[in-house]
Amino acid sequence: QKEVEQNSGPLSVPEGAIASLNCTYSDRGSQSFFWYRQYSGKSPELIMSIYSNGDKEDGRFTAQLNKASQYVSLLIRDSQPSDSATYLCAVKRNYGQNFVFGPGTRLSVLP
Amino acid sequence: NAGVTQTPKFQVLKTGQSMTLQCAQDMNHNSMYWYRQDPGMGLRLIYYSASEGTTDKGEVPNGYNVSRLNKREFSLRLESAAPSQTSVYFCASRGVVGTSGVPSYNEQFFGPGTRLTVL
Repeated sequence: QKEVEQNSGPLSVPEGAIASLNCTYSDRGSQSFFWYRQYSGKSPELIMSIYSNGDKEDGRFTAQLNKASQYVSLLIRDSQPSDSATYLCAVKRNYGQNFVFGPGTRLSVLP
Repeated sequence: NAGVTQTPKFQVLKTGQSMTLQCAQDMNHNSMYWYRQDPGMGLRLIYYSASEGTTDKGEVPNGYNVSRLNKREFSLRLESAAPSQTSVYFCASRGVVGTSGVPSYNEQFFGPGTRLTVL
């Protein structure tokens, strides 16, 4: 089992819909979780971080964390074509200073 | 602030050649990282440096060496390049202040990447 798993996609949603991206992780002791957005040919940029169970909202983005189920999700409301990108889930290991990234989910928002 | 810078942006090597990828950050961050990204594999950690003077292996260190030259600079060296090292390489740094002025010790900032092809 990989440490961080995501559906590779592509996930296609119509403009204005809600896009739901999912991530599972194997290290039960992990405490810090991140969603990065990466446009084609560009570097990843952080869009959300979450540390506690529940929901965290920032504009059109909502991150959800369920540590008991070892599950993190990202919801994008009112999806726009400019949201089309690969979304990477990252988990900070419970020990040490490093992070583990999932393979990413490619999102395509259709106009 | 330039953030995290990387050189070169593109490089083509022949098998067996050596090269050094340079990374610098001007955010006074303690931690720096080197990742490689291959299609369908996400980002995989090669080496990291938690602070000046220390380096540690990540998930895929074989074939690479690193140097934390000072707090700002963290270089990645390929001593004898192999086609399996064809990839996009990203440097990242991590420090105290995150985006929007909210302190966040856990956010990583990425450089623009180096696209390396080994023939």
